[in-house]
Amino acid sequence: EVQLQQSGPELVKPGASVKMSCKASGYTFTSYVMHWVKQKPGQGLEWIGYINPYNDGTKYNEKFKGKATLTSDKSSSTAYMELSSLTSEDSAVYYCARLGNNGIAWFAYWGQGTLVTVSA
Amino acid sequence: QIVLTQSPAIMSASPGEKVTMTCSASSSVSYMHWYQQKSGTSPKRWIYDTSKLASGVPARFSGSGSGTSYSLTISSMEAEDAATYYCQQWSSNPPTFGGGTKLEIK
Repeated sequence: EVQLQQSGPELVKPGASVKMSCKASGYTFTSYVMHWVKQKPGQGLEWIGYINPYNDGTKYNEKFKGKATLTSDKSSSTAYMELSSLTSEDSAVYYCARLGNNGIAWFAYWGQGTLVTVSA
Repeated sequence: QIVLTQSPAIMSASPGEKVTMTCSASSSVSYMHWYQQKSGTSPKRWIYDTSKLASGVPARFSGSGSGTSYSLTISSMEAEDAATYYCQQWSSNPPTFGGGTKLEIK
């Protein structure tokens, strides 16, 4: 069973950075890219980008270039996202997500989300 | 990027009522996918490739559409269907989501 287990909630100060994790299990970690999606409170979903754990290749939504940095660790089957220079606009739930097995371009598997609250 | 506009933003339906919500794309897309999200939980895959139900999705749900206009229909509303539904495309980069339709039970 595919599972994506994300790290816990974060309370961070404006201007600081935060790094969250997404531990994958139930499949070969290097066989699928890992996506990240942002959801502000009461709002819709935004795709941030993805990392390919096989070769650490990344692709970002233009909107999140310079804001998000995606990395991964094959040895622990864990993907990471670091957000920098945080403002109140970054307060949101962040999900890691994976496409399905059959090549369909939708997010079949989701982590439980990491809530980031930016507050002084 | 392709903008997806969902309507209505909020709607309510009585048990047994037929429900239809729409997703309009700013440019033509090949397929539309849908997710269901209940409060405090992650989105769940719901309908893919416009009209195919994900495993476990009740048969009262259906999806249709083409080009720039897509819809999700519930043939007979049930209490458990109350949730927010999001459409998503990846015909062109970046993948984008609609703003969601919140469906409430009357």
